[in-house]
Amino acid sequence: QVQLQESGPGLVKPSQTLSLTCSVTGDSISSSNYYWSWIRQPAGKGLEWIGRIYTSGSTNYNPSLKSRVTILVDTSKNQFSLKLSSVTAADTAVYYCARALSGWGFSGYYYYYMDVWGKGTTVTVSS
Amino acid sequence: SYELTQPPSVSVSPGQIASITCSGDKLGDKYACWYQQKPGQSPVLVIYQDRKRPSGIPERFSGSNSGNTATLTISGTQTMDEADYYCQAWDTSLGVFGGGTKLTVL
Repeated sequence: QVQLQESGPGLVKPSQTLSLTCSVTGDSISSSNYYWSWIRQPAGKGLEWIGRIYTSGSTNYNPSLKSRVTILVDTSKNQFSLKLSSVTAADTAVYYCARALSGWGFSGYYYYYMDVWGKGTTVTVSS
Repeated sequence: SYELTQPPSVSVSPGQIASITCSGDKLGDKYACWYQQKPGQSPVLVIYQDRKRPSGIPERFSGSNSGNTATLTISGTQTMDEADYYCQAWDTSLGVFGGGTKLTVL
């Protein structure tokens, strides 16, 4: 059974870079036909999609964050990571990593959904 | 940018049918999925590709998608179904979530 676990500093100073890692167990990140994604949720608010990476290294980012976001995959450690630069208090949130399936369905539409989520890690941006 | 709109809240009595809508421009031409999130927990996928249920999700959860609206239906709603529900779709290389609907069972 695949499991995902986020890790990283819980407190980041304004203007610095937020760095999180998602460790994948129960499956090989490089052999699977999945996308690996990051999502965040400010306290009391809804979910925001940050971006995704394929095992090939191909990425997609939320345009609202694209200039500050980098998602990388480390197949040797079976991990993928998130870096968000120049953080402000608005970046304070619970950050989730997730496994996603994506592709073309029989109807001809593109599907993308996240079937396994980590437990989330709280990141606070404060001096 | 693409937007998905959900009602902030829906109330239902135990045993009744709960319907949660998700509206977006030509959403029926995309695949929608739904997540359930209980307080302090991670989201759980309950419907994908409009109407498919992941293993372990009760049959009372069903979905549909046509025109501009996707709908999550919970038949015979139970108190354990009280949670926040989020729809999600893919548009132009971007994952998009609805704002979420708080389902109250009382």
